[in-house]
Amino acid sequence: GAVVSQHPSWVICKSGTSVKIECRSLDFQATTMFWYRQFPKQSLMLMATSNEGSKATYEQGVEKDKFLINHASLTLSTLTVTSAHPEDSSFYICSATGRADYGYTFGSGTRLTVV
Amino acid sequence: QKEVEQDPGPLSVPEGAIVSLNCTYSNSAFQYFMWYRQYSRKGPELLMYTYSSGNKEDGRFTAQVDKSSKYISLFIRDSQPSDSATYLCAMSPSGGYQKVTFGTGTKLQVIP
Repeated sequence: GAVVSQHPSWVICKSGTSVKIECRSLDFQATTMFWYRQFPKQSLMLMATSNEGSKATYEQGVEKDKFLINHASLTLSTLTVTSAHPEDSSFYICSATGRADYGYTFGSGTRLTVV
Repeated sequence: QKEVEQDPGPLSVPEGAIVSLNCTYSNSAFQYFMWYRQYSRKGPELLMYTYSSGNKEDGRFTAQVDKSSKYISLFIRDSQPSDSATYLCAMSPSGGYQKVTFGTGTKLQVIP
């Protein structure tokens, strides 16, 4: 079945630094990738949608200059949290899809803690 | 009103019980319906997906969609402690390329 690998699984960084999270589709070509954020005991909140080779589409309220998304190939998308602050601490999850008739495959998530 | 409503629970059942999880929605454009299971500190795992109305069965899991009532269900038969997780319903106007709207998730605990 479809597998999406997300790294790192957890990261701790200092306030003001940048963190990059990678999302890779291992056995399929992901034409579309989605980035979500999840707070404790809450559902997934879509941050942005990225299509290979084009700029990401951000949801309302998501700062595109703070959350940089790059989807340079059909198997890799990255999310960079720039100038991270403690309020950016959260669980970030990517999902990928490559077919119109298939459910979305999620990565295992990245727990970001900004201190 | 949220597009997708899901009772957050928690729902506690004894091992072996039949579990019923439900979601209602308001957007009649939704055509694809999915159920995900999420363990703590992990990404969601796809359990079932269905297109339009009807039933779909996979092992101990049965998904039902009633588009006329805008109501979907997931049934778990012979529930096991390993089924303890948060279950998220999700839906989309089409497959693949359009964004998915998630319910808030129902936390299920199966007690041995």
